[in-house]
Amino acid sequence: AQSVTQPDIHITVSEGASLELRCNYSYGATPYLFWYVQSPGQGLQLLLKYFSGDTLVQGIKGFEAEFKRSQSSFNLRKPSVHWSDAAEYFCAVVLSAKSSGDKLTFGTGTRLAVRP
Amino acid sequence: EAGVVQSPRYKIIEKKQPVAFWCNPISGHNTLYWYRQNLGQGPELLIRYENEEAVDDSQLPKDRFSAERLKGVDSTLKIQPAELGDSAVYLCASSHRTVQETQYFGPGTRLLVL
Repeated sequence: AQSVTQPDIHITVSEGASLELRCNYSYGATPYLFWYVQSPGQGLQLLLKYFSGDTLVQGIKGFEAEFKRSQSSFNLRKPSVHWSDAAEYFCAVVLSAKSSGDKLTFGTGTRLAVRP
Repeated sequence: EAGVVQSPRYKIIEKKQPVAFWCNPISGHNTLYWYRQNLGQGPELLIRYENEEAVDDSQLPKDRFSAERLKGVDSTLKIQPAELGDSAVYLCASSHRTVQETQYFGPGTRLLVL
């Protein structure tokens, strides 16, 4: 069965510092890959997605992610973190829609705190 | 364009009581999803609709949970009777047939069962 691992439960960075959130998936084929952000009391907002093509994808709010097939990873990065980025970040995967019916499988999330 | 709308945002009930959640997807989105998110976890799919048809309800606890999407637009998720373990955030999402892999989420309903 497909699974998603986010090894870091909680990360704290200083405002202005760079950020990398890790995501690994366990899967036979290359899934569709997503990063969502959830602010306190809010639903999930899509940051970016990877289906195919260029392995470095740009998202909203200055985020980017890089797909590395050899490492089964899809890490999220931001060069300079803002205080408003404090939230919970979820990596998610979907098998090819034809076979899975678009079932999103989420990681357990990484909670980001930002120091002033 | 309006996003996915959910109501209520918060609900507190006593165990064994019924509760219902409502979702209105993004206009034109034919696929609707209900997820449950337990504290400290990622969301888990409960049920998926293609128009008015439930095409994946394998994770829905059918003894107490039910859902409907009668006209293929808005949807209701019901729990009867609620148990303490049902306390969670219930998220609704929708996607368009042309890009079904990309789901857009509502703000969720936070349920507390006492």
